[in-house]
Amino acid sequence: GQNIDQPTEMTATEGAIVQINCTYQTSGFNGLFWYQQHAGEAPTFLSYNVLDGLEEKGRFSSFLSRSKGYSYLLLKELQMKDSASYLCAVRDQGSGTYKYIFGTGTRLKVLA
Amino acid sequence: DAGVIQSPRHEVTEMGQEVTLRCKPISGHDYLFWYRQTMMRGLELLIYFNNNVPIDDSGMPEDRFSAKMPNASFSTLKIQPSEPRDSAVYFCASSPRTGIAGANVLTFGAGSRLTVL
Repeated sequence: GQNIDQPTEMTATEGAIVQINCTYQTSGFNGLFWYQQHAGEAPTFLSYNVLDGLEEKGRFSSFLSRSKGYSYLLLKELQMKDSASYLCAVRDQGSGTYKYIFGTGTRLKVLA
Repeated sequence: DAGVIQSPRHEVTEMGQEVTLRCKPISGHDYLFWYRQTMMRGLELLIYFNNNVPIDDSGMPEDRFSAKMPNASFSTLKIQPSEPRDSAVYFCASSPRTGIAGANVLTFGAGSRLTVL
């Protein structure tokens, strides 16, 4: 089966750096995705990793270690608008098709 | 592109009533997913389709839930009869089919917030 774990809540200060961790277990790993979800809105795509290493995208970076079943999302120069839930998702491949399994999300509060 | 379109955005109904949620995926996307989101359980995959064919419905909680995709541009999720514990936000999402994981970005609709009294 699949299992994805991430912290429930985190708090950080405006301008700081925060790292949100995600660990996963899956049988048909085919990519690790991060989504951002503001309260009352739909999740929106942030980044993905399919190979080990760091992917940088502006203030956001995501890291993957497939051997450890581990990823993190790094947010730099935090802004108030970054207050949201961050969802870790694994793309799982089986029988020639794909599905996306999500963690329960990490609620990030950015304080002034 | 208008993105993934869901309707209704909000629905309030009474226990025992039938509920039908609708979704129009992004044109050209081969995959369509139905998710349910609650505070307690997060985003749960209910069922997904590939080329209009249901592939995995193991996430559908009970026989009261059913989903169809009669063509590439339309899908429904039906709950009959509805119960208060079905109250949640239901998201539809679609993705294209390619061999590159990064290109298969999942795009969500705005969601349908269901309240069963």
